[in-house]
Amino acid sequence: QVQLQESGPGLVKPSETLSLTCAVSGYSISSGYYWGWIRQPPGKGLEWIGSFYHSGSTYYNPSLKSRVTISVDTSKNQFSVKLSSVTAADTAVYYCASGRLSGSYPYWGQGTLVTVSS
Amino acid sequence: DIQMTQSPSSLSASVGDRVTITCQASQDISNYLNWYQQKPGKAPNLLIYDASNLETGVPSRFSGSGSGTDFTFTISSLQPEDIATYYCQQYDSLPFTFGPGTKVDIK
Repeated sequence: QVQLQESGPGLVKPSETLSLTCAVSGYSISSGYYWGWIRQPPGKGLEWIGSFYHSGSTYYNPSLKSRVTISVDTSKNQFSVKLSSVTAADTAVYYCASGRLSGSYPYWGQGTLVTVSS
Repeated sequence: DIQMTQSPSSLSASVGDRVTITCQASQDISNYLNWYQQKPGKAPNLLIYDASNLETGVPSRFSGSGSGTDFTFTISSLQPEDIATYYCQQYDSLPFTFGPGTKVDIK
């Protein structure tokens, strides 16, 4: 069973870079599956940030593309997201997720709230 | 981007009732549609993929249908533990997009 766990700062200052890591257990990122990040502002809906396949390209939401980078560290079996120049609008619960089908996520982390505030 | 709409935005029903939620895509997405259940403070839980396939371990009272632009999600007999917000999501085209959600509670 794939298990995911997000970690990172819960508070980020405006204009700085948000950085989160997703630790994966129960499955090797190198073995396959699609891996992604989704966020949810408090009380609002879900927004797909981006995703990658273990041996393929990384895809980003165009609404965030200029500010977001997803990277993977297969030696640690984890992947990360960085979002630059954050504003209050980036305050959200950030989830990492994965699945066998591109864009379909049966496996989720528990989510981590990131607040952008000075 | 493909826009996803859902109706109703919320509903209240009695235990044992049949509950139906509709989801419409702004363009043809074939059957590349998921349904998720999200309870407060929890991550979304995938219930249905490919519009009508039940994810492993999901109770059979949940079902989905449709293709193209119009989709339906049904709970055949509402249970107290089904209180949640339900989201549709398309994965036909990037960026993947979600509907605004339907909040279901008990009357």
